[in-house]
Amino acid sequence: DTGVSQDPRHKITKRGQNVTFRCDPISEHNRLYWYRQTLGQGPEFLTYFQNEAQLEKSRLLSDRFSAERPKGSFSTLEIQRTEQGDSAMYLCASSDTGGVDTQYFGPGTRLTVL
Amino acid sequence: QKEVEQNSGPLSVPEGAIASLNCTYSDRGSQSFFWYRQYSGKSPELIMFIYSNGDKEDGRFTAQLNKASQYVSLLIRDSQPSDSATYLCAVQAGTDKLIFGTGTRLQVFP
Repeated sequence: DTGVSQDPRHKITKRGQNVTFRCDPISEHNRLYWYRQTLGQGPEFLTYFQNEAQLEKSRLLSDRFSAERPKGSFSTLEIQRTEQGDSAMYLCASSDTGGVDTQYFGPGTRLTVL
Repeated sequence: QKEVEQNSGPLSVPEGAIASLNCTYSDRGSQSFFWYRQYSGKSPELIMFIYSNGDKEDGRFTAQLNKASQYVSLLIRDSQPSDSATYLCAVQAGTDKLIFGTGTRLQVFP
C-alpha cells in the first residue's frame, strides 16, 4: 500500500492559464475527496466522489473548477482561467466506506498563480 | 461563528510535559471527530479519531470527547521536540466531508 499520491507536487502558472492535477487514492478506497488549504487555515472541502459518482460540491467552488473520477480510480481536478486567489495547496484524501470514514491525505499539489 | 474553533497558539511546552490541545464545534449533529498533525509544508497526517463520549488512548495520545459541551481535546504525553507541528481538529457531520479548524501550533522545547 503506497498511500495517496498526487501529481504534480508543485505547479507555477500564469494568471488565466488552465491547470490540471491528478490524485491516485489508496487502491481499495472508494471515496476520494479534494480539499484546498491556504496559509494559516485548515483544509477547506471542495468536492468528493464515491466510486465514479460526484456526490457533493462545495457551494464555494467556482464554476472554473471541475473534477472527474471517470473509472472510480484516479481523479483529476481542473482549474480554468486561474486567478491569483487560486494559489493554495490542493489536497486529495481517500477513504473506504467501512465503519468510520477515516480520510488519509496525499502529499498535496502546491499551486502558485503569478 | 466558526464551525470548528481552535486556539491558533503557539502552545509552548517543555520536553516531557503533557500538551493539551482543545477544539470546540458548533454542529450538534457531528458524529466523528479527528485529529491530524501537520508539519510545515506537508500534508495532514491522521493521529486518531473518536466518536463516543469519553477518552480514547493510542500510545502517547489521548483524545477526549464531550458531546454535551461540544468539545474535543487531544492530550500528548511525554511531549517530544518532534511533536512540534500544527494540530488540526476535524469534525464530520451528516455528510462525509471534514470540517477543519484553523489548527493549533505546538512548540516543544528541549
